[in-house]
Amino acid sequence: KAGVTQTPRYLIKTRGQQVTLSCSPISGHRSVSWYQQTPGQGLQFLFEYFSETQRNKGNFPGRFSGRQFSNSRSEMNVSTLELGDSALYLCASSLGLAGVQPSTDTQYFGPGTRLTVL
Amino acid sequence: AQSVAQPEDQVNVAEGNPLTVKCTYSVSGNPYLFWYVQYPNRGLQFLLKYITGDNLVKGSYGFEAEFNKSQTSFHLKKPSALVSDSALYFCAVRDPLRDYKLSFGAGTTVTVRA
Repeated sequence: KAGVTQTPRYLIKTRGQQVTLSCSPISGHRSVSWYQQTPGQGLQFLFEYFSETQRNKGNFPGRFSGRQFSNSRSEMNVSTLELGDSALYLCASSLGLAGVQPSTDTQYFGPGTRLTVL
Repeated sequence: AQSVAQPEDQVNVAEGNPLTVKCTYSVSGNPYLFWYVQYPNRGLQFLLKYITGDNLVKGSYGFEAEFNKSQTSFHLKKPSALVSDSALYFCAVRDPLRDYKLSFGAGTTVTVRA
């Protein structure tokens, strides 16, 4: 089975621009979560989508948004980019929704998208 | 609130020696605990998890972890480390009764010298 794929792998943007990142989950997985990884803050949860609905959300400003499509693919959007948004953005998929069924909520991560904001 | 701590930023061991990466947690309910490993420029790879049952959990690549409720710990272990085990290791916790978010520790860099 193919793993989680993320595109693009690398991205360079300037302040004020917006960016869209894409994530394709493992086949059959219905939940997609997004994380931001930075040297200073570590791994921080952004949000989780299941059946095209946002189910959980982390403590990030409204500039960070996402969506999930009927085929479980997900996109994350960051508007009005700031220098501090430079990070590795990781997508993870799981069979089921977090906290509902422990046997199905193990998250499997993609390689990430490295975003650099200049 | 839930949290997880990895008290060591770095662990250095010689190849063939036992490897231990420490993790302690703080949750209000019974925790779900996970270990992940990250190699340079890669995403996180799942190693193992504890949900319930036996306190000793066996995972991928010869790793195992022991859940200790009284000490609120979930240390990762490998009896004989390999140079290829050199990577960044993350412990994560989820409190299934309170917060569905997966909270990660700060990570421990493991270096295995030949």
